[in-house]
Parts: sequence; structure tokens; C-alpha cells
Amino acid sequence: DTEVTQTPKHLVMGMTNKKSLKCEQHMGHRAMYWYKQKAKKPPELMFVYSYEKLSINESVPSRFSPECPNSSLLNLHLHALQPEDSALYLCASREGQQDLPLHFGNGTRLTVT
Amino acid sequence: TQLLEQSPQFLSIQEGENLTVYCNSSSVFSSLQWYRQEPGEGPVLLVTVVTGGEVKKLKRLTFQFGDARKDSSLHITAAQPGDTGLYLCAGARSNTGKLIFGQGTTLQVKP
Repeated sequence: DTEVTQTPKHLVMGMTNKKSLKCEQHMGHRAMYWYKQKAKKPPELMFVYSYEKLSINESVPSRFSPECPNSSLLNLHLHALQPEDSALYLCASREGQQDLPLHFGNGTRLTVT
Repeated sequence: TQLLEQSPQFLSIQEGENLTVYCNSSSVFSSLQWYRQEPGEGPVLLVTVVTGGEVKKLKRLTFQFGDARKDSSLHITAAQPGDTGLYLCAGARSNTGKLIFGQGTTLQVKP
């Protein structure tokens, strides 16, 4: 079992829908991440939160909006997505912002129709 | 720009065979991590190597970090079907908060 919990596991949404992905960890990690992953490809970094503040935005389109309500929770709000946004969205956390390993959740499989 | 070249990208072998996956860069990393990802799951850390020339063993898996901390390899002895998955190397730069991932190696071990 992973210590990073992501919900939902699967999500199908239309291009006009608004939905949110949720991530939770209780390891006391202060850095949290959103990654996007296509099949058989490495994860691509989207956003990094450090101590609940957005520290890295990898030029992600504004139809993706991250939110960190507290140190344990990370959300990704989705609006007006495109079919090419269909992918596995992974949340990860780690202690601080050092070069320590990431703890990944099992992801949300998103399909945009 | 891909800073971490991982090869091969796909590998299909029979149970019992040995294999090596390579991760190469022209840049120096403070540490290098190896992850394995199975279908429907997130990547799981296998090992972190930090010191140049370091060798770590995890059962049938042997990880090596190059002397100059620019490259790494993963060797699997007597592969088993349970080793099937996507193997990812990831290089860390001190205090950047980012990991640089290689392209990944999709390994299939046939019984």
C-alpha cells in the first residue's frame, strides 16, 4: 500500500466539465508534486509545492490549477481539458526540498472525451 | 533537452536471463534514484546511490553509480516474470526540488 493516497482512481470527463483530483499524505512531508505520465513514458513534472507554497510551475496550461489547502493535501482542479490531456496523473511527496526520494501515489487515470 | 539518456527503452527476455539497463548523462548529479513502476501503480523507489563508484545490491538487482556521478546502471541477474515493469532512473540536483527522469525502460520477462 502506498502512503500517498490519490482519488479518484479513474476519471472520465468531457471537455466542458470541471473536476478535481485529490492527493493526501500523512508522512509529514513538506514538498508535494503533481506529475503527468503517458503510457510507457517517464513522469513529467507539472507543479511543486514546498511548505504549502507553489514553488515550481513547469509552464502548465491554466486549465490545470493546483491547490494546497494544508500540508497534507494537494488538489488539482481541471477545467476545459483537451483529449490530449488524457494521462495518468501522479501525486508525490518528499521531505523538504532536498534530493531525497519521492513517494508516489498510484495515480488517477484521466480520460477526456 | 533530455539530460538523462536511459537505454534500452524496451527489453523482452526469457525468465532466467540477465540484463543491464544504463542511464547516462553529461551532467553531474548529487544522487541518482531507480524506481520500478507496475501497471496501474505509481513508481516505487528501489534504491538511491549517492557516492561516486557506489555499488548497491537488492537481492538479484545490482545498482552502480559512476565514479564521476554522471551515469548509473542496473543489472538484474536471473530475471523473473515478477521483474516485469517500467524501470526509471532519476537524477537529483542539490536543492532544486526537481528530479530529472530518464526515458524509462519497459521490461517484459516471459516465463
